[in-house]
Amino acid sequence: AQSVTQLGSHVSVSEGALVLLRCNYSSSVPPYLFWYVQYPNQGLQLLLKYTSAATLVKGINGFEAEFKKSETSFHLTKPSAHMSDAAEYFCAVSDWPGSARQLTFGSGTQLTVLP
Amino acid sequence: EAGVTQFPSHSVIEKGQTVTLRCDPISGHDNLYWYRRVMGKEIKFLLHFVKESKQDESGMPNNRFLAERTGGTYSTLKVQPAELEDSGVYFCASSQMRAGETQYFGPGTRLLVL
Repeated sequence: AQSVTQLGSHVSVSEGALVLLRCNYSSSVPPYLFWYVQYPNQGLQLLLKYTSAATLVKGINGFEAEFKKSETSFHLTKPSAHMSDAAEYFCAVSDWPGSARQLTFGSGTQLTVLP
Repeated sequence: EAGVTQFPSHSVIEKGQTVTLRCDPISGHDNLYWYRRVMGKEIKFLLHFVKESKQDESGMPNNRFLAERTGGTYSTLKVQPAELEDSGVYFCASSQMRAGETQYFGPGTRLLVL
């Protein structure tokens, strides 16, 4: 069975500082990995995804993530935080074409950006 | 192109009542998924349609939940009778039929059972 662990339910950074949100996964087959963001009162929006191409994936709004198979990690980073990055971030895994086509989510990380 | 839409955005009902949630996927997306987030917990899978057929309903909590997808287009999720623990945000997502394809999420329906 696949699973996702997000370390830190709440992360605070100062505006302009590095953002690092951690995600570790387990999957029985090579996974597809996703980061989604949810802004207040909105739905989930895809930030980026890994689908077995380049291990460093660039997404929207200056975010990127690196797939590290040896560490079973897919951490999300952004060099310089902006106030508008304040939101909840979810890491998710899918092992399609394995048996589980649905996404399995981590518990989410609430990012606060301090002025 | 229109995104995934869900109706209603909010619903407040009393325990024992019935509620029906609706999801309209992106046109042409054969995959449709329902997820739920109970307050303070992670987002959990409920079920997956491929066109009008239920592909996987292993996440449905019990037989008070009934999902349908008429003609492979929109989907409904009915809760009957609702219980307090059904409160949460219900998300719908759709995707095309390719491995690793992005699931596009709707804004969710916030259900509160009193």
